[in-house]
Order: sequence, then structure tokens, then C-alpha cells
Amino acid sequence: EVVLTQSPATLSLSPGERATLSCRASQSVSNYLAWYQQKPGQAPRLLIYDASNRATGIPARFSGSGSGTDFSLIISSLEPEDFAIYYCQQRFFSPPTFGGGSKVEIK
Amino acid sequence: EVQLVASGGGLVQPGGSLRLSCVASGFTFSHYAMSWVRQAPGKGLEWASGISGSGGSPHYADSVKGRFTISRDNSKNTLYLQMNSLRAEDTAVYYCAKDRRVSSTYDFDYWGQGTLVTVSS
Repeated sequence: EVVLTQSPATLSLSPGERATLSCRASQSVSNYLAWYQQKPGQAPRLLIYDASNRATGIPARFSGSGSGTDFSLIISSLEPEDFAIYYCQQRFFSPPTFGGGSKVEIK
Repeated sequence: EVQLVASGGGLVQPGGSLRLSCVASGFTFSHYAMSWVRQAPGKGLEWASGISGSGGSPHYADSVKGRFTISRDNSKNTLYLQMNSLRAEDTAVYYCAKDRRVSSTYDFDYWGQGTLVTVSS
């Protein structure tokens, strides 16, 4: 199965700063990559699908890029509600797999 | 408004069985593939099983294949996961999740609130 490696594991930033999260696939997944946000005690929320498309209702400060094996999620200016864990997920190969997550914490 | 309400979790002994349910509303249930995604305590997300809108083509992660069975009743807008031969490593919150598009996409735009399964003696 495809292994997704996310980095960094933890990112310590202040509100207003820019966050850049990385997701690397063990083999090419084309652009079939999604990003999710999860807060403690809550279900994940879809942010980005097909590498660069924002899901319904997702603010423009969230953007995704990449194709093949290297992908990024950028939060242009962190809001207090953005401190959470972020997961990438590929759907190009079965089974769909998730990365291990990147935690964005308040510095 | 799309809603997914999962239930059926609880404490079960190793080797035991449990059936999870997920009742859907707010969309045409039979048009969308659905999946179960689980999350062990303090860990990441793991896709466990998925099924097409019609109920055919079930798929399973290797970790649950042969022990779990996914099914759906489109007349009741309900997704199920029958879990047999449970192991300690099956302990997790189980989320039901809806495919983003009518054509099976295996990315998920709506999630249930999760139901906790604890396998312990």
C-alpha cells in the first residue's frame, strides 16, 4: 500500500503566521490527494481534494499544491481556530491511506 | 443538511462481535459510496472498509479482511459494519464517512461523530 509521510510532525507557530505542511507519497498518486483537519474530540473535516481544490465552505487561506509524490498544504495566515492536526490521504491506489498527521500548535 | 449518526460501539471481549450502524440523512444515500474509517486512541486515521452506493463491491483493509463485513440498507439509509473475532488492536473510534462524489472517489466530505469500540478482557 502507498505510504504517506507527513512533515513536520509538529509545527509551533503564532496566529497570523504562515504554515506550510508537507506530504510525501511512496509512489506517485497523481493529484488524488486530500487534506483533512481534525480538532480534539471531533471528526475530521475535508479541506482540500484532488491536491488543490478547496472543499465547500473552506476559507481561502487554505491552499493545496503538488502532484505525483510531493504535496503541500499552506495556511496563509493562521487563525486561532486553525490550531489542529492535519492529515493527508491518497485515493489513487486501493486501499486509500492516510499520513500520520502534522500538528499545528500555538507557539 | 447532511448528517451521519453512528452507534453500536461499546466494550467487548477479545474474540467477540459487535455491529456498528450509521444512519444517514440530508442526501440521496443510495447514490454515494460509504466507508468506515477508524482511529485508535491517540493515533492517526485508518480506512477500514468501503462499499458502493448499490451495496456491491465491498472493500476491506488487510487488517480487517475476513473478520469485518460492511453492508448497507438503502431503504433505511443505514450503513453497517459487522465486526467478528475482535482483537485488542481493533480498539478505536469508528467513523462512518460519505464519499465526496456520486462516482466513488474514496475521499470523504462528511463524517459521523464516531463510536468507540473497546476490545478488552
